[in-house]
Amino acid sequence: KAGVTQTPRYLIKTRGQQVTLSCSPISGHRSVSWYQQTPGQGLQFLFEYFSETQRNKGNFPGRFSGRQFSNSRSEMNVSTLELGDSALYLCASKKQGLAGGDTQYFGPGTRLTVL
Amino acid sequence: DQQVKQNSPSLSVQEGRISILNCDYTNSMFDYFLWYKKYPAEGPTFLISISSIKDKNEDGRFTVFLNKSAKHLSLHIVPSQPGDSAVYFCAASEINTDKLIFGTGTRLQVFP
Repeated sequence: KAGVTQTPRYLIKTRGQQVTLSCSPISGHRSVSWYQQTPGQGLQFLFEYFSETQRNKGNFPGRFSGRQFSNSRSEMNVSTLELGDSALYLCASKKQGLAGGDTQYFGPGTRLTVL
Repeated sequence: DQQVKQNSPSLSVQEGRISILNCDYTNSMFDYFLWYKKYPAEGPTFLISISSIKDKNEDGRFTVFLNKSAKHLSLHIVPSQPGDSAVYFCAASEINTDKLIFGTGTRLQVFP
């Protein structure tokens, strides 16, 4: 079974631009979560989608948004990029998206560099 | 406020010996705990998990122990192998949420 895939793997943008990252979950998984990893803040939760609905959101500004499609694929968008948005963006999927007790599996990440 | 803490940023262990990685948490609503292994510029790889209704879970060389009264969990790797060298993150989630709260990680180095 294929794992979580993320595209693109690497991205370079300039301040003020916007970016869209894509995530395809493991087949059969309906929950997709996004995380940001930076050296200073570690791994931080951005948001989680289940059945095309955002169910949880972390403490990030409104410039960070996402969506999920009917096939469970998800995209996240960052508008008006800032230098501090440079990070590894990770997508994770899990099967049920219900109460805890189910494992999230991570993709390889997208390395975003903002110049 | 750091709800999940890994107080040891690094650990060095000889091959064949036991590696013990520790994690403390403050939120009593956490009910599911996981350990992930991570290499630079890659996504975390799931290792092992434990529900709050258990105090031990074992999978091959990996065993996770949970002490709810102390709000402490640990990962034991026996025997340690050079390929285990990576950064290890513990993570926790609350009941009815998929939001994982990660610790800051412990870099494990296993030397021959």
